[in-house]
Amino acid sequence: DAGITQSPRHKVTETGTPVTLRCHQTENHRYMYWYRQDPGHGLRLIHYSYGVKDTDKGEVSDGYSVSRSKTEDFLLTLESATSSQTSVYFCASRVSGTDTQYFGPGTRLTVL
Amino acid sequence: AQTVTQSQPEMSVQEAETVTLSCTYDTSESNYYLFWYKQPPSRQMILVIRQEAYKQQNATENRFSVNFQKAAKSFSLKISDSQLGDTAMYFCAFLNSGGSNYKLTFGKGTLLTVNP
Repeated sequence: DAGITQSPRHKVTETGTPVTLRCHQTENHRYMYWYRQDPGHGLRLIHYSYGVKDTDKGEVSDGYSVSRSKTEDFLLTLESATSSQTSVYFCASRVSGTDTQYFGPGTRLTVL
Repeated sequence: AQTVTQSQPEMSVQEAETVTLSCTYDTSESNYYLFWYKQPPSRQMILVIRQEAYKQQNATENRFSVNFQKAAKSFSLKISDSQLGDTAMYFCAFLNSGGSNYKLTFGKGTLLTVNP
């Protein structure tokens, strides 16, 4: 395990409100990732980071932004949550030079 | 872009028996990695096994083994002596090692139920 935590673990919010999910890792991994998991879709990449202040988009990035001001923290923000963003969100991290990603416990987000 | 296909949405097996989960993928790359992840009801994503495409030998981890057929682009997972704790969703995943950012592409998953 890479010592990855996510907060909050569960959140219910209303359409139009901003939401920030936090991923924290204690292993000094350079690479971090945000995925969403939906029934019938597996996990899909939202955004990823390859270093402090270095981020890029994944395949389902619309409506999401990220920030990484410290190696250990990777934040995912929904500026104005919509019901289509109801999902389970997973963070993952990887040490540079290796291929294996380690996942956090997930955050279940419900947008009413 | 790579795609990963798991053609079996659900499977079931009796305890102590053997089951095989299928996965096929599509890529034009020659260097890549393949993974099977397990997601039990706790929701935690757990790495089960990984395979490097340049290695012809099939990976094995205790009761879990793979049948990697590179030419056929097939990567199946065999679970021997199935246990109740193997009940989970299983995801096949592809990683292109040609790029530097190592983004995973997942299949849609197979829900495996082990019956007593």
